[in-house]
Order: sequence, then C-alpha cells, then structure tokens
Amino acid sequence: AQSVTQPDARVTVSEGASLQLRCKYSYSGTPYLFWYVQYPRQGLQLLLKYYSGDPVVQGVNGFEAEFIKSNSSFHLRKASVHWSDSAVYFCAVSAANTNKVVFGTGTRLQVLP
Amino acid sequence: EAAVTQSPRNKVAVTGGKVTLSCNQTNNHNNMYWYRQDTGHGLRLIHYSYGAGSTEKGDIPDGYKASRPSQENFSLILELATPSQTSVYFCASGKNTLYFGAGTRLSVL
Repeated sequence: AQSVTQPDARVTVSEGASLQLRCKYSYSGTPYLFWYVQYPRQGLQLLLKYYSGDPVVQGVNGFEAEFIKSNSSFHLRKASVHWSDSAVYFCAVSAANTNKVVFGTGTRLQVLP
Repeated sequence: EAAVTQSPRNKVAVTGGKVTLSCNQTNNHNNMYWYRQDTGHGLRLIHYSYGAGSTEKGDIPDGYKASRPSQENFSLILELATPSQTSVYFCASGKNTLYFGAGTRLSVL
C-alpha cells in the first residue's frame, strides 16, 4: 500500500523568499504523484502532477516539483513566494493499478509580508 | 470546468441521529470518493465508487455507509452519528487527478 509523509506541519517564510515543502512517499511500484493546495474554507485544488517523463514538473502560479526516485521524494518548490500563497499544501500518491489516492497530513504555509 | 457540488455546506446533528451528506458531479467521472479532513490526519478515505451501483470501503469505513444511485450522485450516510464523526467531509471525482467539492462541515453534538 502507498503512503505519504509530509514532515513539516507548518512553514513560515517571508514574502519574496524561496520555498521548499517536503514530501516523501512509500510505494514499491511506479507512483503517480500530486501536490494540491487548499485555501481557507475551500476544497483542494490541483497544483501539479507527475506521471512519467521529465522528473521536474511545472504547476500553476510558479510552483514546481521534482521527482527523485532514489530518495522517494517529491518536494514542492517556488522561487519567490507571495502573501497569497498562504494556504495548506497536500502531497498525494496513487498507484497506476488502483483508484485510491492517498494524501499526506498537509503543510500549512504562512507567508509574512 | 469540472464541478463537484456538496450539500449541505454545514450541518449540526445530534448523537444517534441519521445524517446524509450529498455530492453531485457534472464531470461524467466514473470514480467518486468521500474523504474526511481532521487536523493532524490530513485527508482520509472513507468510501469510494467506480460507478453507479458500486461502493467500496476506503481506509476508515466504520460507522459510514455510501450510496451511488447514479453516475452523478454519491452520498455518505451516518446511520448513528457520534461526536467522533465531527469533521469536514470532502467529496471528489476523477481518476488519479481528483476534483473536489467545497466540503461539508459536520458537528455532532
């Protein structure tokens, strides 16, 4: 069975700083990997996804993530954060042969002006 | 634009009462899901469905039932609600990439 670990419950950065949110997954096969964002009182929205090919994937609003198979990681990055990026970010994994998507516990990002 | 609509948005229920949470999707997706979100646990899968008439148990199905009467509709049923079921519930549709509703905030008193 697949699982996801997001080790940082909260991250605080200043506006304009760079960002990395960590995600490690556990799955023996080829994973499908996702990052979702949740703004207050809303459902989750897809930021980016990785199925195969180039291990660096680009998402919306300048976010990107890199799939590193040797490290079982899929960290989310952004070069320069904006106050509007404050939200909760979820990493998720699914397997090609199942319909289950498993989520991490989320990282709450606070961007200080 | 994919659309998943949940109702009600907020619900207060009494312990031992029956609660039904509804979800409608206009995406024509075969797969639909019910998750609950709790601090420290992220999203946990309760039930899911591959299509009309099918329901499958997720990771935390105890105390919940699900019903998929049509492609568009997927309900989550709490026959005997308990305070431990106080949570935010999300419905989603899709395969691998999921489209979420806005959530239902349920309080069981």
